[in-house]
Amino acid sequence: QKEVEQDPGPLSVPEGAIVSLNCTYSNSAFQYFMWYRQYSRKGPELLMYTYSSGNKEDGRFTAQVDKSSKYISLFIRDSQPSDSATYLCAGGYGGATNKLIFGTGTLLAVQP
Amino acid sequence: ETGVTQTPRHLVMGMTNKKSLKCEQHLGHNAMYWYKQSAKKPLELMFVYNFKEQTENNSVPSRFSPECPNSSHLFLHLHTLQPEDSALYLCASSQPDLNTQYFGPGTRLTVL
Repeated sequence: QKEVEQDPGPLSVPEGAIVSLNCTYSNSAFQYFMWYRQYSRKGPELLMYTYSSGNKEDGRFTAQVDKSSKYISLFIRDSQPSDSATYLCAGGYGGATNKLIFGTGTLLAVQP
Repeated sequence: ETGVTQTPRHLVMGMTNKKSLKCEQHLGHNAMYWYKQSAKKPLELMFVYNFKEQTENNSVPSRFSPECPNSSHLFLHLHTLQPEDSALYLCASSQPDLNTQYFGPGTRLTVL
């Protein structure tokens, strides 16, 4: 079983839709979680990170973590064509173990 | 993305060639990473350096040889690669006790 599972998509939505991107993880040792956005032919760009269960909001983006069910989500409100990219979730151990374990990424296409 | 630079952006090499990838970070970080990104696979961590010391080698074949002369520079020396080594090679940096990693744009490597 992969430590971080993510549906590869592609996910296609109309402009303005609310997008829900999801990951599950198996490693209870993860202390924090990241979401990265990767445009075609670019490196991943850090979007959001969170250390605890609950919600964290930043503009149109909300990251949600449920440690009891090992489930993490990223919601995008009022999606724009410029949001079209691959979204990567990752879990990290924290402390001196500075390793991130990534999912495969979900390809999102927002149609104008 | 501009905080971490990588050169070259594209590289085509034969199986008998020797080449090097270069990464430079301008963020004042003390941890640097090499990742391999292949299609439909999660990012694979290859090497981790903390304060110029290698702290992680994720069972990477010896045809990949990393070098970290200082906290701002990281190299990946390549020799006698195989076609299956063709991928996007990403460099990242962070503070060692913080796990928010920042990525460069990557080097697209093709091994013929």
